[in-house]
Amino acid sequence: ETGVTQTPRHLVMGMTNKKSLKCEQHLGHNAMYWYKQSAKKPLELMFVYSLEERVENNSVPSRFSPECPNSSHLFLHLHTLQPEDSALYLCASSQESFQMNTEAFFGQGTRLTVV
Amino acid sequence: AQKITQTQPGMFVQEKEAVTLDCTYDTSDQSYGLFWYKQPSSGEMIFLIYQGSYDEQNATEGRYSLNFQKARKSANLVISASQLGDSAMYFCAMREGQMDSNYQLIWGAGTKLIIKP
Repeated sequence: ETGVTQTPRHLVMGMTNKKSLKCEQHLGHNAMYWYKQSAKKPLELMFVYSLEERVENNSVPSRFSPECPNSSHLFLHLHTLQPEDSALYLCASSQESFQMNTEAFFGQGTRLTVV
Repeated sequence: AQKITQTQPGMFVQEKEAVTLDCTYDTSDQSYGLFWYKQPSSGEMIFLIYQGSYDEQNATEGRYSLNFQKARKSANLVISASQLGDSAMYFCAMREGQMDSNYQLIWGAGTKLIIKP
């Protein structure tokens, strides 16, 4: 069983659809993250949750709505997306969010295409 | 200004040769951490190696080592005896020590490494 699991792996949605991305970690970590990876751009941190509380929201449009019901699960709810939102969405977890040397463990990502 | 610069968008290396991937960073913090990750075509980011700014020795993890030159603000990744499975994107990242940074990882744009048989 992999440490961080993301579903679905691929998603195609229309601009009027509502969908959700799911992330689950089996590592006992306290912090979880959503990142957006667009072609030829550095990874963009979207949201950080520490002990199920959101600690960071990097000016992400409201059409992206995160949810962290417990320390093992993280969702990203999507609605009325734009074609420029097409990207690879990566979920990650780490032991703590505020520790210098803590590495993050990533899922395989959801490849999202908005048509 | 970019905080993490990876100047090599792509590299081709012959199998079994050593390869150096460049990373320079920009920070005014005295305390910071540097990370390297590998991203194969399957998508997940795989942690490779970490170097703390106060670490006196260069970090090593198996075939990976980090050539840390603090005065030059560079943290190059060295892969010895490259293998076909090393073909992937490689990302350098930094975490600064100031509280107002919220300890976020700042990422470079990546280097695509292709190992030739």
